[in-house]
Amino acid sequence: DIVMTQSPDSLAVSLGERATINCRSSQSVLSSSNNKNFLAWYQQKPGQPPKLLIYWASTRESGVPDRFSGSGSGTDFTLTISSLQAEDVAVYYCQEYYSTLWAFGQGTKVEIK
Amino acid sequence: EVHLVESGGGLVQPGGSLRLSCAASGFAFSSYWMIWVRQAPGKGLECVASMNEDGRRKYYVDSVRGRFTISRDNAKNSLYLEMNSLRVEDTAVYYCVRDHAGSGVASWGQGTLVAVSS
Repeated sequence: DIVMTQSPDSLAVSLGERATINCRSSQSVLSSSNNKNFLAWYQQKPGQPPKLLIYWASTRESGVPDRFSGSGSGTDFTLTISSLQAEDVAVYYCQEYYSTLWAFGQGTKVEIK
Repeated sequence: EVHLVESGGGLVQPGGSLRLSCAASGFAFSSYWMIWVRQAPGKGLECVASMNEDGRRKYYVDSVRGRFTISRDNAKNSLYLEMNSLRVEDTAVYYCVRDHAGSGVASWGQGTLVAVSS
């Protein structure tokens, strides 16, 4: 089974500053069939379902602000919020969809410093 | 627009049963893997069960195997989760999720709360 590990568990960033969340998978999620990374990032606010931000590791979902970006390949991935806004306070999860039972990271709580 | 609506959650005693339903619309339901994901109060996300397009392949997390059954009715565009022998630790919001598939985009329902308590 794939295990997803995020770091840090929480971070506090000043408004307008950069926030960086890392995610590591226990095995590669890069598919040889389409050369894509089966890795997604979600944002979740209290009382709401997770909202898809990024898929294929770096493709921004429609309507997601361009301050959100994803990078990485194989086993190491990063979600970057280039200029943190108040509405970005949330818990962020990485998720692999390479396997038949998805694995999620434990979540990273982002707050305003 | 993709729409997933879960129903069937509620309060049940330990050892009891519930059947969750998910009504899907806005996409070709029979062409997608479907997944149930749960989230215990204050905790992270856990994939509970998944099923392929025609319902022949089913997968379960170890903690629910033998107690939960995922199924689907492609004629009714519906996904189900039969939950038996419920435990306190099954308390969670259960989300119905459409797989990423070729597009890479997954879609989630709003979730239904299952509370197991005496």
